[in-house]
Amino acid sequence: GENVEQHPSTLSVQEGDSAVIKCTYSDSASNYFPWYKQELGKGPQLIIDIRSNVGEKKDQRIAVTLNKTAKHFSLHITETQPEDSAVYFCAASPYNNDMRFGAGTRLTVKP
Amino acid sequence: KAGVTQTPRYLIKTRGQQVTLSCSPISGHRSVSWYQQTPGQGLQFLFEYFSETQRNKGNFPGRFSGRQFSNSRSEMNVSTLELGDSALYLCASSLEGRPPNIQYFGAGTRLSVL
Repeated sequence: GENVEQHPSTLSVQEGDSAVIKCTYSDSASNYFPWYKQELGKGPQLIIDIRSNVGEKKDQRIAVTLNKTAKHFSLHITETQPEDSAVYFCAASPYNNDMRFGAGTRLTVKP
Repeated sequence: KAGVTQTPRYLIKTRGQQVTLSCSPISGHRSVSWYQQTPGQGLQFLFEYFSETQRNKGNFPGRFSGRQFSNSRSEMNVSTLELGDSALYLCASSLEGRPPNIQYFGAGTRLSVL
């Protein structure tokens, strides 16, 4: 089955700096890669996703890149703000919707 | 449109008991997936139901079971609770359930087993 590794496990940045979180996956059949943000006491919320036929996707301050050959994808947050502080999860899903999540990255943005 | 609703939000049980958790998906969504979230293991996939049928299953023992009703609402049952079952249980709904359909998560049910 799919195995997703996520790094780093914790990340601390100054407000205004950029943050990058990286994930690798093992199953070449995976074709959908969402990123979720989980705030305290809440369920994960989708913030951006990318499909295997796309190399990069951007939504305002958030961007995701995918390298299918190397089986890795990354989340980039620019101009970070304190409200970006949360736990971020990457995930990979093959055709059968058996979504596998990374272990999570706790991002802290210091004002 | 109402989001995914999970009840109850908190549960305290003792070892050996059983528990039933409920999930009401977003209106119109036919797929419901269940996940277990723990600090040590992260988010782990339990199973997915689509049109009242279990379509996919993760690597959990048979003590974990679920079902889906005709209105797409889903329940998850854990029998003979163990201390290690303490976790946040999340359900997620999506329109059809096949990627790349977006999964929307509920706030979860936090289960504590004493």
